[in-house]
Amino acid sequence: DTGVSQNPRHKITKRGQNVTFRCDPISEHNRLYWYRQTLGQGPEFLTYFQNEAQLEKSRLLSDRFSAERPKGSFSTLEIQRTEQGDSAMYLCASSFKGVGQPQHFGDGTRLSIL
Amino acid sequence: AQSVTQPDIHITVSEGASLELRCNYSYGATPYLFWYVQSPGQGLQLLLKYFSGDTLVQGIKGFEAEFKRSQSSFNLRKPSVHWSDAAEYFCAVVAGGYQKVTFGIGTKLQVIP
Repeated sequence: DTGVSQNPRHKITKRGQNVTFRCDPISEHNRLYWYRQTLGQGPEFLTYFQNEAQLEKSRLLSDRFSAERPKGSFSTLEIQRTEQGDSAMYLCASSFKGVGQPQHFGDGTRLSIL
Repeated sequence: AQSVTQPDIHITVSEGASLELRCNYSYGATPYLFWYVQSPGQGLQLLLKYFSGDTLVQGIKGFEAEFKRSQSSFNLRKPSVHWSDAAEYFCAVVAGGYQKVTFGIGTKLQVIP
């Protein structure tokens, strides 16, 4: 068990640029989740995948955000035309299938918009 | 919709003192409840979870939590706090049949010598 890996750890970009983050889940886990965490808040759910299928998306996931998990392994989260309000920590988690299975988190990607 | 309330944003305790972090949830049926800990710049680590059965659950690092249905609470406790316990603690709930985890706002724990 090598844990959930996220890259990059930090991303600084100018407003209006596109960014892409990568998450490598625990290999045995078939569910993968994305969360956003702003300062002083708990993580907020964005979306989740079961294998390669994206099964739920939050209203927070505007049309500038897209997530993929093409082969049911790693996932990418892309933000197009970044805005100041996108500055946050983006967390990825994975779990086994099944209601209430605990989610294992990566260390996150911190995005700063200049 | 499920929700979680952590009424204490910041708590300071002396090293060696006991700790209780409060968590109240809102959900019609029995939820799945979790406590996570987050150190600065890190992801979240699962401390313990409650699904059913014994209402007192033991977790890692000497933490325990008690589920009280009548009070809709799931408070986290530790009998003797260590300086390394300084971190932010999040209570979380998953409603049955769903995958979305709803987190509380977090309680930041400061430990003083």
